Amino acid sequence: DQQVKQNSPSLSVQEGRISILNCDYTNSMFDYFLWYKKYPAEGPTFLISISSIKDKNEDGRFTVFLNKSAKHLSLHIVPSQPGDSAVYFCAARGGGSNYKLTFGKGTLLTVNP
Amino acid sequence: DTGVSQDPRHKITKRGQNVTFRCDPISEHNRLYWYRQTLGQGPEFLTYFQNEAQLEKSRLLSDRFSAERPKGSFSTLEIQRTEQGDSAMYLCASSPPGQREKLFFGSGTQLSVL
Repeated sequence: DQQVKQNSPSLSVQEGRISILNCDYTNSMFDYFLWYKKYPAEGPTFLISISSIKDKNEDGRFTVFLNKSAKHLSLHIVPSQPGDSAVYFCAARGGGSNYKLTFGKGTLLTVNP
Repeated sequence: DTGVSQDPRHKITKRGQNVTFRCDPISEHNRLYWYRQTLGQGPEFLTYFQNEAQLEKSRLLSDRFSAERPKGSFSTLEIQRTEQGDSAMYLCASSPPGQREKLFFGSGTQLSVL
């Protein structure tokens, strides 16, 4: 049973445009959501997070939106840059554990120059 | 801050052999985690230490797997009698006090069991 779902395996956008990566979850006990970025041959790198009591968090070009009623979150990258090309993982904390993260399968973002 | 260090980066072994991986977390990070990632999947939780105490093991961690964190510093993950299904990327992560949700990952150990 996959509790965190990223239904788009890949996404391709033009440099300068907006990238929107989506994530759905099923466990209403999750209290914290995070996005990680992963380049080939490297470990995941923390990007941005949001608490379940908020609906938006912004950090530079990156904004995460949370819709609790729909159990949906999204990551917006504006403007997209070629260096943003990577696999993006959505992760959630909680569901009975306050330290374990549950990850989605990831979305490969390609930003074309 | 030198980041989380994992050794070796790659390991090729024959089925039935034992392997051991090492992880050095960021200094002063009291929490240490092991995750496993297979192709096309996100990282999956294996086990978690707070200081030297192992507080949880996933059902994914069979009896052939054992992890230790002596003295609350580096950690080792040993797999006995390896099987082809053990082939994966083994990721170590650590987190500082007060920021347990923000995991800092190492580059991982890629295990191939032939």
